[in-house]
Formats: sequence, C-alpha cells, structure tokens
Amino acid sequence: QKEVEQNSGPLSVPEGAIASLNCTYSDRGSQSFFWYRQYSGKSPELIMSIYSNGDKEDGRFTAQLNKASQYVSLLIRDSQPSDSATYLCASHRGGNKLVFGAGTILRVKS
Amino acid sequence: GAVVSQHPSWVICKSGTSVKIECRSLDFQATTMFWYRQFPKQSLMLMATSNEGSKATYEQGVEKDKFLINHASLTLSTLTVTSAHPEDSSFYICSARDSRVSSYNEQFFGPGTRLTVL
Repeated sequence: QKEVEQNSGPLSVPEGAIASLNCTYSDRGSQSFFWYRQYSGKSPELIMSIYSNGDKEDGRFTAQLNKASQYVSLLIRDSQPSDSATYLCASHRGGNKLVFGAGTILRVKS
Repeated sequence: GAVVSQHPSWVICKSGTSVKIECRSLDFQATTMFWYRQFPKQSLMLMATSNEGSKATYEQGVEKDKFLINHASLTLSTLTVTSAHPEDSSFYICSARDSRVSSYNEQFFGPGTRLTVL
C-alpha cells in the first residue's frame, strides 16, 4: 500500500464547475498535508496546506482534512482551463521529508 | 517570499562529463533542501535531503558517489551529477524549507533543471 494514494485521472470537468480531488494516506502519524499544482514541464507549486481537521479556504480553493478517515481533498470552485494541471498531494509525519502521491491529472474543458 | 531559484534551467552535456546544478533560496534561509528527480509522466522521486553543514542523506537506491550534494550555506545547495550517462537525463528539481518557521513543513520548489545527456 502506498503511503499517499491519489487517483491518477484524468479528471475532466467543464469550465465553471467544481473540481474535487481526493487523497488518502496510510500513516496515522501524518500531521500536515499539502496540495501542489504542477503544470506540464514545470516544477510543483504549493497551493494549499492544512494541518487541522475541517476545511481551509483560500480563494477558489478549499482543502478538507479528515484525520479519522485519513482523507484529504482539494476543491476547486469555478474551474478554469488554466487550472488544468497535475495536482500532487503530500503528507508530513515528522522529520524533514514530505511523502508525495503520484498525482491526479485535472482537465478543465471550455 | 519563499522563492527558490535553480541554475541552469537546462543543460545538454556529453556522456561521461559532470554537471553541477545550483539551488538557492532567495529570500529565506534553508537549513534543509531536497533534491528530486522526475522522469516524463512520472511522479517526483526524492533523491536526497541536503542539510547545511553536514552530509546529505540519500534515499535508498540513489548512488551518493554519483550524485554529489553540497550544502555549504543556508541559501545554497549544489547537486553534481558525475560521469553523466543518457539514463541520467531527467528533470531535476530542488526544494527548500524555511528554517525560520519551524512549525510548518512546506517545501518550496525551484523551477527545475532539465538535463539531457547525449
């Protein structure tokens, strides 16, 4: 079992819709979680971090964390074609390293 | 804030030569930097953790004598790919953690270096 699992996709949504990206993790000791966006040929860009159960909103992005279910999600409201990218979920459990999922490809169709 | 740069952005070299990639944190101090490699259509693979003033910690399967890492200051880490071969061609990305904010663990990525070995 991978430590951080994501559906590889692609997830296709129409422009203006809500895109829902999901991630599960296996280590209950994980304390903080991150969502990165990676455009093709570019490096990852941090878009959200979340440490506590519940929702965290930043503009069109909402991260949700449920530690009991070991589940992290990212909602993107009013999806735009420019949101089309690979979204990486990462967890941190102590020490310095982040553990990354393989990423979910999102395609927003205009 | 939290800007990380890499140089060069791309490099083409002949097989057998060595290539040095620099990673700099521009507006913060980074006691820890990380080096990743990413092959086309694959996920990030952590190669090593670079600690300022001490030896790097390499992930299993990564040859420390081939991928030399030096973290001589709080803002600079270098990765040298020694005796590069075509199979080393990849996208090398560094990231850094802001040591001033010890309670958080965000990593900020540099723009990456695309290495092509002929």
